[in-house]
Amino acid sequence: NAGVTQTPKFRILKIGQSMTLQCTQDMNHNYMYWYRQDPGMGLKLIYYSVGAGITDKGEVPNGYNVSRSTTEDFPLRLELAAPSQTSVYFCASSYPGLAGTLGYEQYFGPGTRLTVT
Amino acid sequence: AQSVSQHNHHVILSEAASLELGCNYSYGGTVNLFWYVQYPGQHLQLLLKYFSGDPLVKGIKGFEAEFIKSKFSFNLRKPSVQWSDTAEYFCAVKVDSSYKLIFGSGTRLLVRP
Repeated sequence: NAGVTQTPKFRILKIGQSMTLQCTQDMNHNYMYWYRQDPGMGLKLIYYSVGAGITDKGEVPNGYNVSRSTTEDFPLRLELAAPSQTSVYFCASSYPGLAGTLGYEQYFGPGTRLTVT
Repeated sequence: AQSVSQHNHHVILSEAASLELGCNYSYGGTVNLFWYVQYPGQHLQLLLKYFSGDPLVKGIKGFEAEFIKSKFSFNLRKPSVQWSDTAEYFCAVKVDSSYKLIFGSGTRLLVRP
């Protein structure tokens, strides 16, 4: 299994440009997530999805959009890039956990480093 | 709102020193607890996790953590660190039936050879 893969690894955008960050997982996980990581701030959840066709906002969704047309793919769209969106973006996936338990863990992709200037 | 605090932002140790990284969370209900590690230039990997049972959990590479419910803490420990443990460490909490993880701000560990 390749696990969680993300493309591109690096990208520089000009203010106002748009782009899509790709995320694919081959573990048949129901749940997928997008985080951004800023220095000293940990990871903040942008959007998440509990299955194909179902998405919901996380802590910091403004300026982003997502879709989940298949179990494997969960792309993140930036429509009008702003300098505040300069960050490292991580995609993750997980199983929902066994019935009657709360337990699961998230598997992370290698990240996309985005700079908006 | 639930939150996770990691009070040590930067830690510098010499090889063979003992390590303890603090993690406290604010939530009174049932929690699952995790420690993730991010080596330089790499993605996050799970070090260890607590779901239930024995509050002392052992993870990979000689790491362990103890869940103390009365203190809302899940501190990470290692008796003797190595240069290869240089990384950023994140504590994370999953509450009740939520799908989401709440991450702390991370602790950067530098181990000097």
